[in-house]
Order: sequence, then C-alpha cells, then structure tokens
Amino acid sequence: DAGVTQSPTHLIKTRGQQVTLRCSPISGHKSVSWYQQVLGQGPQFIFQYYEKEERGRGNFPDRFSARQFPNYSSELNVNALLLGDSALYLCASSPGPQGNYGYTFGSGTRLTVV
Amino acid sequence: AQSVTQPDIHITVSEGASLELRCNYSYGATPYLFWYVQSPGQGLQLLLKYFSGDTLVQGIKGFEAEFKRSQSSFNLRKPSVHWSDAAEYFCAVGFTGGGNKLTFGTGTQLKVEL
Repeated sequence: DAGVTQSPTHLIKTRGQQVTLRCSPISGHKSVSWYQQVLGQGPQFIFQYYEKEERGRGNFPDRFSARQFPNYSSELNVNALLLGDSALYLCASSPGPQGNYGYTFGSGTRLTVV
Repeated sequence: AQSVTQPDIHITVSEGASLELRCNYSYGATPYLFWYVQSPGQGLQLLLKYFSGDTLVQGIKGFEAEFKRSQSSFNLRKPSVHWSDAAEYFCAVGFTGGGNKLTFGTGTQLKVEL
C-alpha cells in the first residue's frame, strides 16, 4: 500500500508569489493535517481537515489556506510568500478525526523562498 | 497552552551504549504521546505511541518509552545504540478532544560515536 504522498518534493519560489502543495493520504484515511517545520525546529500544526471540513487551525496568518477534496486528498496554499515561509511542509494522514487513531507522515515538501 | 519540552538539544553516545531521551509535557487533559525519528531531509517516522493502558510501550528498532503521569514525562530508551540510530528525535503530544493537532518538542539530535 502506498504511504502518504506529497508533491512536489522541492520547489523554489520568489517573495510575493503563491504556492500550492499537495498531499494524498493513505487509502482509507479520511483526515489530513498539515505541519510546517522550520530548520532546527519541531513541526508546527497548521491545519486539520476531516471529511472535507476544517477541524483545526494553528496560529498561522490568513495567507495560509487549505482544502480537502472528495477523494480525501488535500492542498495547502500559501499566498504572498515571505522569506520566513521557507520550511519543510509535512502532511499527516489519519483514519479518523481524533489523534488516537494514529498518524502517518509523508516525506514533505521543501519550500525555499528567495 | 500545551507545551512539550525536550531538554537535550544534542546527545552523543558511543555505539553499544544505552540511550535515554527526555520528554516532558504540560497538558491539562489526558494526553496521548508519540516519539518520531527524522533523518536529514526526510519526513517523520513513528517509533512508538502511547494512548492508554500499559505505561511501558515498545516500539520499532528496539526502542521503548515509559509514560509517567506523576512526572508528566515520556522518556525514550534503547539499551544498545547502533550507528544507524543517529538522527533527530521528536516527542509529540496530543489530547482527547484536540482533534489531530500534535504539539512537538524542539527535537534532540543524536550522534553516535563508533
């Protein structure tokens, strides 16, 4: 079975641009969460979606948005990119809405803003 | 607000020596706890998790962790470290009713000397 798939693996953007990151969860998993990991730090929670509804939002500006599709895949959008948005963006997949179902992380998308 | 503390930023051990990585959390509700490992440029791999029941949990690669509610700790241990264990280790905490949000510590970088 395929694990959590994230695309692209790397990308470079210019300040002020917009970016879309994609995540495909494990088959049968209905929840997707997004995390930002800045170099040298632990991951920080951005969003959780379950059954296409937003179930949680971390302390991130409105430039960050996300959505989940009927096939449970998800996109994370970041507008008006800043240098500080450079990070590894991780997607986590889970069968249900609560964390006690367990999480599987993808390998991440490395975003560099120049 | 919930928080997770990993007091050791870097740890160096000799191959074959025992290892203990510390994790303390601050939470009001019943937590569920995870240890993840991350190799450079990679995503997070789950080592073990605690939801309820036996407070000593076994994980992959010979790791174990013990949940001590009285000390708000979930320390990771391994009796004999292998050179391939060199990586960054993250403790993460969620809680019932918190959705899929995990709060991560800042990580402990493990170096193994041959």
